[in-house]
Amino acid sequence: DSGVTQTPKHLITATGQRVTLRCSPRSGDLSVYWYQQSLDQGLQFLIQYYNGEERAKGNILERFSAQQFPDLHSELNLSSLELGDSALYFCASSVDWALNQPQHFGDGTRLSIL
Amino acid sequence: GENVEQHPSTLSVQEGDSAVIKCTYSDSASNYFPWYKQELGKRPQLIIDIRSNVGEKKDQRIAVTLNKTAKHFSLHITETQPEDSAVYFCAATPQGDTGRRALTFGSGTRLQVQP
Repeated sequence: DSGVTQTPKHLITATGQRVTLRCSPRSGDLSVYWYQQSLDQGLQFLIQYYNGEERAKGNILERFSAQQFPDLHSELNLSSLELGDSALYFCASSVDWALNQPQHFGDGTRLSIL
Repeated sequence: GENVEQHPSTLSVQEGDSAVIKCTYSDSASNYFPWYKQELGKRPQLIIDIRSNVGEKKDQRIAVTLNKTAKHFSLHITETQPEDSAVYFCAATPQGDTGRRALTFGSGTRLQVQP
């Protein structure tokens, strides 16, 4: 158990819909990262939040957005869903904003678009 | 930005043999190099990491070496066991534009340990 909690574990929805994925970081971690992993693909960085503020942004689509709340949990919102958005979405957390700190991953949310 | 290349993409070894996975990176300022193990359908799990001020680090059957001059680092697994079968990812942390920096992952190596 990494201490990072993601909900839901599975999500099945249709094209055009909107979903929200939730992540609670490990106790004491202030930074949250979101990654997308498509079938047989590597891990693509989407966005990082540190203590409530956006810290870094990867190739995140404009249809996707995220935020980190005062209690440090984070939500990733995906809208106008397309078939190609089907993937595993992982959240990771680390102690602070520096990238040379270990990132610990949650179990992921598997998103299936029908 | 950073570019991390990982080889081989697949690796099959006999139980008890050693396995070596190699990665190269492009940003000479990168200073942190973690390795993750991902079993099918599960989360990436940090197994070992190394910082740029260290040339080698070992943890039981797993070791990582770093050659900053050549900009490559390697994962060594000795006495492999069937439970080592998984996809292994290397990663590097680039410097540069703060707003775009991210842990950059290699494409993964699927390791299969044959009993």
